[in-house]
Amino acid sequence: DAGITQSPRYKITETGRQVTLMCHQTWSHSYMFWYRQDLGHGLRLIYYSAAADITDKGEVPDGYVVSRSKTENFPLTLESATRSQTSVYFCASSPGTIGELFFGEGSRLTVL
Amino acid sequence: AQKITQTQPGMFVQEKEAVTLDCTYDTSDPSYGLFWYKQPSSGEMIFLIYQGSYDQQNATEGRYSLNFQKARKSANLVISASQLGDSAMYFCAMREGMTTDSWGKLQFGAGTQVVVTP
Repeated sequence: DAGITQSPRYKITETGRQVTLMCHQTWSHSYMFWYRQDLGHGLRLIYYSAAADITDKGEVPDGYVVSRSKTENFPLTLESATRSQTSVYFCASSPGTIGELFFGEGSRLTVL
Repeated sequence: AQKITQTQPGMFVQEKEAVTLDCTYDTSDPSYGLFWYKQPSSGEMIFLIYQGSYDQQNATEGRYSLNFQKARKSANLVISASQLGDSAMYFCAMREGMTTDSWGKLQFGAGTQVVVTP
């Protein structure tokens, strides 16, 4: 019972490079999310998806792109990474009962 | 404006004692949900407890209880009989609205670091 799997768990990249963070869930939840965690800010919503082929912006979407061609996958792409995108990224899904989130283990991204 | 405020950046508590983590929220929506999550040093986020704005009773889950004071807009987490494994960062979060449009779109506080000492 893997739940949500994120990869890579750790990534170091350089400014201007494209980076894709992968997220795969085995629960078949309709709703999936990407959050970033920064000190002093808690977690902030980047993008979310209500179903395959349906995505929308969250609180901090600038510089990110998402896609969801299959229910189980929800990759997050940083098209041209910046230092301000250094963060821990969490993918999450929700079964849609009370709207609680179930998180992956996180992907720690460092942009040099 | 900050929607979720956790005023305690960190606190120490002795094993077997109870601890209360403060959380205040700000919303004009009459329908909302409040959540608490635990983040141990390993980094994963663990869902602990939920309180809906229309729930009449305070939520409880094992050693966790949520002290919901609607008029004061507070949703404090109480951990009874603290254990060493309770050492973690704790986040309060809110979902505004009760429709599926609001599912999973949580606003988080900055967190409170709890250290349980023997």
